[in-house]
Amino acid sequence: QKEVEQDPGPLSVPEGAIVSLNCTYSNSAFQYFMWYRQYSRKGPELLMYTYSSGNKEDGRFTAQVDKSSKYISLFIRDSQPSDSATYLCAMRGRRGGSYIPTFGRGTSLIVHP
Amino acid sequence: SQTIHQWPATLVQPVGSPLSLECTVEGTSNPNLYWYRQAAGRGLQLLFYSVGIGQISSEVPQNLSASRPQDRQFILSSKKLLLSDSGFYLCAWGPEETQYFGPGTRLLVL
Repeated sequence: QKEVEQDPGPLSVPEGAIVSLNCTYSNSAFQYFMWYRQYSRKGPELLMYTYSSGNKEDGRFTAQVDKSSKYISLFIRDSQPSDSATYLCAMRGRRGGSYIPTFGRGTSLIVHP
Repeated sequence: SQTIHQWPATLVQPVGSPLSLECTVEGTSNPNLYWYRQAAGRGLQLLFYSVGIGQISSEVPQNLSASRPQDRQFILSSKKLLLSDSGFYLCAWGPEETQYFGPGTRLLVL
């Protein structure tokens, strides 16, 4: 079993839809949870990060963490064609003297006009 | 604010040739630094990380090496490239809670 599971998609939605992106994980030592957006041929861009269970909102984006179920989600409201990208979840736990991240493989999102 | 630079942006190299990719960070001191590779259709693979000058940890044994000659400089090298070294190489820096990525270097080995 992989430490982080993420459905690669693609997920295709119409403009204006609410998008739900999800990851599950198996390592209960993970403490920090992040979501990145990656456009084609670009480096990943940090969207949100959170430490605790619960919800964190930033504009149209909401990150949700459920540590008891080992499940995290990213919701995008009023999705736009410019949101079309690959979304990567990432989690960090302490390894030696550094926090080493583990990434999901990414979900490809397509928002069509 | 912090900025991370990578160069070159694109590189085409023959099999067996050497490699040197450079990453520099501005606006922070003593950052944790990371090298990743992202192959087509695959996830991010952590190659090396560094918590300080001269301190390098390798995650995957292979023909690549990394060095950190200065606080904010991280270099990825190879003496002889393989076809399988092709991919998108990303440098990242970060505090404990998160990570920020550079623009990446696309390497094609022919």
